[in-house]
Amino acid sequence: DIQMTQSPSTLSASVGDRVTITCRASQSISTWLAWYQQKPGKAPKLLIYKASTLESGVPSRFGGSGSGTEFSLTINSLQPDDFATYYCQQYNSYWTFGQGTKVEIK
Amino acid sequence: QVQLQESGPGLVKPSQTLSLTCTVSGGSISSADYYWSWIRQHPGKGLEWIGYIYHRGNTYYNPSLKSRLTISGDTSKNQFSLKLSSVTAADTAVYYCAVKEGVVAGVHWGQGILVTVSS
Repeated sequence: DIQMTQSPSTLSASVGDRVTITCRASQSISTWLAWYQQKPGKAPKLLIYKASTLESGVPSRFGGSGSGTEFSLTINSLQPDDFATYYCQQYNSYWTFGQGTKVEIK
Repeated sequence: QVQLQESGPGLVKPSQTLSLTCTVSGGSISSADYYWSWIRQHPGKGLEWIGYIYHRGNTYYNPSLKSRLTISGDTSKNQFSLKLSSVTAADTAVYYCAVKEGVVAGVHWGQGILVTVSS
């Protein structure tokens, strides 16, 4: 099984900050990685797929990078609507999710 | 865009079978390269992939659930279903149906349904 490890588990930030969340795979997954945003009581929303491709309609302040085993999600100029939990997902072999990173207001 | 809606009992007794259906609109479950999926989220926890069905009824299951799991599709109703047998309290979760529109794409989700396993 491919394990996905996100860091940090919680991130405290202010509106306007640039934040970065990291996701590490236990083995190479090429660029078969997606990022999701989830708000309380809601389903996850796709932000990025294939490591760096922005889903249609997602603001350009969201960006993804990485390949192999190391990936990151960056949010430039954090907005009030961005406080949520973020998950990475590998789809190279079956599917596995990271444990989540909660972005909270500092 | 494809829309997904889960339906089924919100309460299941231990040892029974959990059965959920996902109704698809705006797309066909017969579409090649679409992966029709189930994912769950235990209360306050992260996401667990359950399995998916794709082209011509092929299925892939999470190995940890495989012995209890069946995912099937009904093309006449444009629905796909989940059956999880011998449930315990550990199967209490929000169950999402979801679709991955191609090998490269990410996953789009239904709204989810809470299923509680309790006597």
